[in-house]
Amino acid sequence: GAGVSQSPRYKVTKRGQDVALRCDPISGHVSLYWYRQALGQGPEFLTYFNYEAQQDKSGLPNDRFSAERPEGSISTLTIQRTEQRDSAMYRCASSLSGSRPGELFFGEGSRLTVL
Amino acid sequence: AQSVAQPEDQVNVAEGNPLTVKCTYSVSGNPYLFWYVQYPNRGLQFLLKYITGDNLVKGSYGFEAEFNKSQTSFHLKKPSALVSDSALYFCAALNTGFQKLVFGTGTRLLVSP
Repeated sequence: GAGVSQSPRYKVTKRGQDVALRCDPISGHVSLYWYRQALGQGPEFLTYFNYEAQQDKSGLPNDRFSAERPEGSISTLTIQRTEQRDSAMYRCASSLSGSRPGELFFGEGSRLTVL
Repeated sequence: AQSVAQPEDQVNVAEGNPLTVKCTYSVSGNPYLFWYVQYPNRGLQFLLKYITGDNLVKGSYGFEAEFNKSQTSFHLKKPSALVSDSALYFCAALNTGFQKLVFGTGTRLLVSP
């Protein structure tokens, strides 16, 4: 597609369930980022990849959160044993190589609600 | 650590009037600063950036931003606001590793007809 695609757009789950959020970046984009945005706040960095290598996962809140990008394209953010505090908008972004740092193309996000 | 502050939750302006959305930053080293816009039910879109050079940078949709080192500010401006400019605006700074954007809390711009 022309833009960054995220699915599902909306996910409602019960506390304790696992969820997987998918991101399909713009074709040819090397870098892929995950951010989390709580209501009324700006996006907060979670993790990023260059190709299939996870370069930085310092923003992942705890070990229930993990991400992968096995073939250097589509990425999955997985949250295990979800808690109510995990409710947020999860945003994926991609970019070309480091020639234009900070210029990210964001998807529309996946809104997660944990009951 | 880098941080960005947007002191106004909302800015109201009449169509045709100039607008300013404020941003101040705290970064180590030379700042790389950005503005992003978020329209309802859409992803964030890059507007403009300051890396180096002229303190006034121009971006998409007629927006510009003024970098002021002494005041550590990077305010977003537009000479004449449009109703369609109504959206949520985020200021951001790039970390020293040039890979993480640190965002402010956002400012909602409301342009009235």
